[in-house]
Amino acid sequence: GEDVEQSLFLSVREGDSSVINCTYTDSSSTYLYWYKQEPGAGLQLLTYIFSNMDMKQDQRLTVLLNKKDKHLSLRIADTQTGDSAIYFCAESPNSGYSTLTFGKGTMLLVSP
Amino acid sequence: DTEVTQTPKHLVMGMTNKKSLKCEQHMGHRAMYWYKQKAKKPPELMFVYSYEKLSINESVPSRFSPECPNSSLLNLHLHALQPEDSALYLCASSQEVVLGGEGVTQFFGPGTRLTVL
Repeated sequence: GEDVEQSLFLSVREGDSSVINCTYTDSSSTYLYWYKQEPGAGLQLLTYIFSNMDMKQDQRLTVLLNKKDKHLSLRIADTQTGDSAIYFCAESPNSGYSTLTFGKGTMLLVSP
Repeated sequence: DTEVTQTPKHLVMGMTNKKSLKCEQHMGHRAMYWYKQKAKKPPELMFVYSYEKLSINESVPSRFSPECPNSSLLNLHLHALQPEDSALYLCASSQEVVLGGEGVTQFFGPGTRLTVL
């Protein structure tokens, strides 16, 4: 079945880079997503990558996809205190309806 | 405009009350979703509407009743809820729900924080 795994917690200092990792099991996934959730808020779509790509960059965000290892990472450059939030990795399968399978979320804590 | 709006922001209700959650999008999306999210957990899919028809019901108890009056609106009617139904209820939308490129990307609303007493 489908499964998405993430480490639960990451702590970094302001100005450092953050790398949040995710592994998934469904090799037929078409799109892989990163969502950010601040306390008490909804999910904000940060970025996504199509499964035939290796990398996608968008300002401070870099997504790397290793399809062979089924490993996805999100790098945030120059991390700011406003980046403190829970980050969810999600995959969209390649069959039937495109429902999302979420990881449990990684809590990123940025200290000054 | 990539905004999904939800009302109310907070809702407190008793177990005998009837209330409704509302969701609206004006992006021309044809798929809309309800999720339930408990604290420190990922969202769990409840319902999916595609072209105003219910496509997926993830075995949700009948005390939750979804409704899609038109392509921009999605309601969730609540009746005889239990305290364990207290959660953040999230609405999302996407251009399509069946696989077909970037159109399946889901955009989420801010959620309704529901407390059942």
